[in-house]
Amino acid sequence: DQQVKQNSPSLSVQEGRISILNCDYTNSMFDYFLWYKKYPAEGPTFLISISSIKDKNEDGRFTVFLNKSAKHLSLHIVPSQPGDSAVYFCAAGGTGTASKLTFGTGTRLQVTL
Amino acid sequence: ETGVTQTPRHLVMGMTNKKSLKCEQHLGHNAMYWYKQSAKKPLELMFVYSLEERVENNSVPSRFSPECPNSSHLFLHLHTLQPEDSALYLCASSPRDGSSYEQYFGPGTRLTVT
Repeated sequence: DQQVKQNSPSLSVQEGRISILNCDYTNSMFDYFLWYKKYPAEGPTFLISISSIKDKNEDGRFTVFLNKSAKHLSLHIVPSQPGDSAVYFCAAGGTGTASKLTFGTGTRLQVTL
Repeated sequence: ETGVTQTPRHLVMGMTNKKSLKCEQHLGHNAMYWYKQSAKKPLELMFVYSLEERVENNSVPSRFSPECPNSSHLFLHLHTLQPEDSALYLCASSPRDGSSYEQYFGPGTRLTVT
């Protein structure tokens, strides 16, 4: 059973527009969520995170929103740039399992000119 | 050298071979992880080491054998693998002081079992 789901395997967005990547989770014990970005031939790179005590966290062009009641989080990239083209992974961790992250399958974002 | 490094970057091995993957972190972390990434699947956690002690083993077949000689180095010893073991193997590290959940990944080893 997949506890972290990214239902969109791919997304194409025009440069300058907003990219919205979505993630759903089923385990209510998760209380910390992260987004990673992965380029081909490289390992995932940490992008931004959010604790369950917040509903929004912003870092430059990247904002993560958390809706705990819906068990849903999203990553907004504004404005999107061609260099943002990569695979984005959502991950979740829970109290007492700080060493263990559960990952989604990833969404491939393509930012077009 | 900074961050998390992995060698080799690519490995092709036969089912009867024995090989080892190496990971080294230069971040002063004291937890290290092995993940497997297969096509169209989530990253699968294989092993977790905290302060050089294995704290998690996610039902990984015994043909995969981890070793953590110190907090900076992690190995994955491979023997008699199967073709379905072909995947990207990622190493990661993190602090274990409870300050964050963030894990820092190496570039991975692309393993092909023939």
